[in-house]
Amino acid sequence: KQEVTQIPAALSVPEGENLVLNCSFTDSAIYNLQWFRQDPGKGLTSLLLIQSSQREQTSGRLNASLDKSSGRSTLYIAASQPGDSATYLCAVYMNYGGATNKLIFGTGTLLAVQP
Amino acid sequence: ETGVTQSPTHLIKTRGQQVTLRCSSQSGHNTVSWYQQALGQGPQFIFQYYREEENGRGNFPPRFSGLQFPNYSSELNVNALELDDSALYLCASSLEPRDSPLHFGNGTRLTVT
Repeated sequence: KQEVTQIPAALSVPEGENLVLNCSFTDSAIYNLQWFRQDPGKGLTSLLLIQSSQREQTSGRLNASLDKSSGRSTLYIAASQPGDSATYLCAVYMNYGGATNKLIFGTGTLLAVQP
Repeated sequence: ETGVTQSPTHLIKTRGQQVTLRCSSQSGHNTVSWYQQALGQGPQFIFQYYREEENGRGNFPPRFSGLQFPNYSSELNVNALELDDSALYLCASSLEPRDSPLHFGNGTRLTVT
């Protein structure tokens, strides 16, 4: 059974700092991995999607890496801003063959960027 | 292009009642998934619909049921509500079942008393 873990559960940093959020998964047979952002009481916003054959994806100040063999992904945020404050969730699609359509989420990292 | 919209935004029901939640998928998306997110937890997969057929189901009892319509909008129905059903219910749409990013709505906050 796939389990997705995110460390740390909460993080507080001063504005301008670079930071890394970690995601680990127990079963490396993933199809892809996605990083999402969730603002309080809101839905999820897709940030980056990495296919299992890829090593990293970049969007603006965000860079996500994937090491499938070790079951790890990181989300790097450069030059953090107070507007980056939110909960960040990673999620994996499993590759068990056929229509694999169940996204398995971690419990998230709550990020606070202090001005 | 319009995003995923869900209605209502908030709902309060009594234990034992039934509830219907609605979702309009993003334009051009033929796949809709529903997730339940309890407070402080990551979302849990309920089921997915692809071209009006159920395309996978998570570990939820049969009292959780759904529909997808020809315009790809969707409903989630929950019968015999229990206190533990209190959660944020999220709808997500995508171009295909797994090959593309999920686009989530803002969710419906259901409180069962």
